[in-house]
Amino acid sequence: SQQGEEDPQALSIQEGENATMNCSYKTSINNLQWYRQNSGRGLVHLILIRSNEREKHSGRLRVTLDTSKKSSSLLITASRAADTASYFCATDGTGGFKTIFGAGTRLFVKA
Amino acid sequence: KAGVTQTPRYLIKTRGQQVTLSCSPISGHRSVSWYQQTPGQGLQFLFEYFSETQRNKGNFPGRFSGRQFSNSRSEMNVSTLELGDSALYLCASSPGITNTEAFFGQGTRLTVV
Repeated sequence: SQQGEEDPQALSIQEGENATMNCSYKTSINNLQWYRQNSGRGLVHLILIRSNEREKHSGRLRVTLDTSKKSSSLLITASRAADTASYFCATDGTGGFKTIFGAGTRLFVKA
Repeated sequence: KAGVTQTPRYLIKTRGQQVTLSCSPISGHRSVSWYQQTPGQGLQFLFEYFSETQRNKGNFPGRFSGRQFSNSRSEMNVSTLELGDSALYLCASSPGITNTEAFFGQGTRLTVV
């Protein structure tokens, strides 16, 4: 199955707090990417981490990757109301195709 | 540079009909992938095309098909529509196959009545 698990399914926090969401996958990967989706629109790429990397930063985003556990986490620091969205992880499997997992994590940041 | 363009944006069809959705990738991108998004099932991978060849296919019935043209534009077709086919259909383009960021269109919202 191409489906993995994203945890939690939904997260509600106050503006200024940090938000952490997790992604697990099943196959060996070349890289893992995180995307954001606002309100049923197209997905926007946030960050890509390669399989030989363990941590990557981009602005307020921090992504970690543990290939031994086949899991990744996305940390958004000092969250803002504009961060309210659904967040998805996607992998490029060693088979070369892109897979997006599950229903994502719905983040709600209260002002 | 123009983004990924999907047409139409909204579509209402009747059960049993067929539908064709179109995706124009970013200029120079040769890989196009299609996804179905529903509230209950999340994002489901449909297929991926690269240089007019289908490289991978998700777990969907044969009613779902697609193709890619020499200019990298892609179409997907759903025949004998069912109510459960109502969804947001997303197209994404990439320059290559692996280790590349995917750029998504705004999607086509299909409603089957």
